[in-house]
Amino acid sequence: AQSVTQLDSQVPVFEEAPVELRCNYSSSVSVYLFWYVQYPNQGLQLLLKYLSGSTLVESINGFEAEFNKSQTSFHLRKPSVHISDTAEYFCAVSEVGFQKLVFGTGTRLLVSP
Amino acid sequence: GAVVSQHPSRVICKSGTSVKIECRSLDFQATTMFWYRQFPKQSLMLMATSNEGSKATYEQGVEKDKFLINHASLTLSTLTVTSAHPEDSSFYICSAREPTLTGELFFGEGSRLTVL
Repeated sequence: AQSVTQLDSQVPVFEEAPVELRCNYSSSVSVYLFWYVQYPNQGLQLLLKYLSGSTLVESINGFEAEFNKSQTSFHLRKPSVHISDTAEYFCAVSEVGFQKLVFGTGTRLLVSP
Repeated sequence: GAVVSQHPSRVICKSGTSVKIECRSLDFQATTMFWYRQFPKQSLMLMATSNEGSKATYEQGVEKDKFLINHASLTLSTLTVTSAHPEDSSFYICSAREPTLTGELFFGEGSRLTVL
């Protein structure tokens, strides 16, 4: 079985500052890794994913995440955040083949002016 | 990307009544859909896996008779909360698996159920 740990429940940051949201996973088999973003009272939107290949994956809005197998991590980073990035971010893992998605507890990113 | 739509987005009902939530894949056929429940400020918990043409597979601790799931077609799965009580109030989210090589999951907008 897989599990995901997001140690930070909330990350406050000022606008234009860099941010890192941490995600560690546990699995005995090969996995796919995901970051989803959720705005208030909305469903989840896929931010980026790692399936295979390059360990550094990027989203269209400036986020990136790096798959580190030795550290079993998939931390999310952005060099300069905007107010509009304020949201809940969920890290998720599934076995290769998308049998089930297991979510972390989420990290609330709060961007202030 | 593929689109998954849920309806209704918000529903308020009286205790003891039943509520049906629909999940539709709009531009692809989904043989498998998933239903999640999210409590305030918490993560998503998988409730059940819905397979077209067969019975749903429920996660441990989820009451099958309380949460009825029907996957009648390749584009529609429904979740019916029967005899709803205030503790059933929650945010319910569905996802559908796109039948491509990667089988990526796409999520609906969620449905907020409030039971009075």
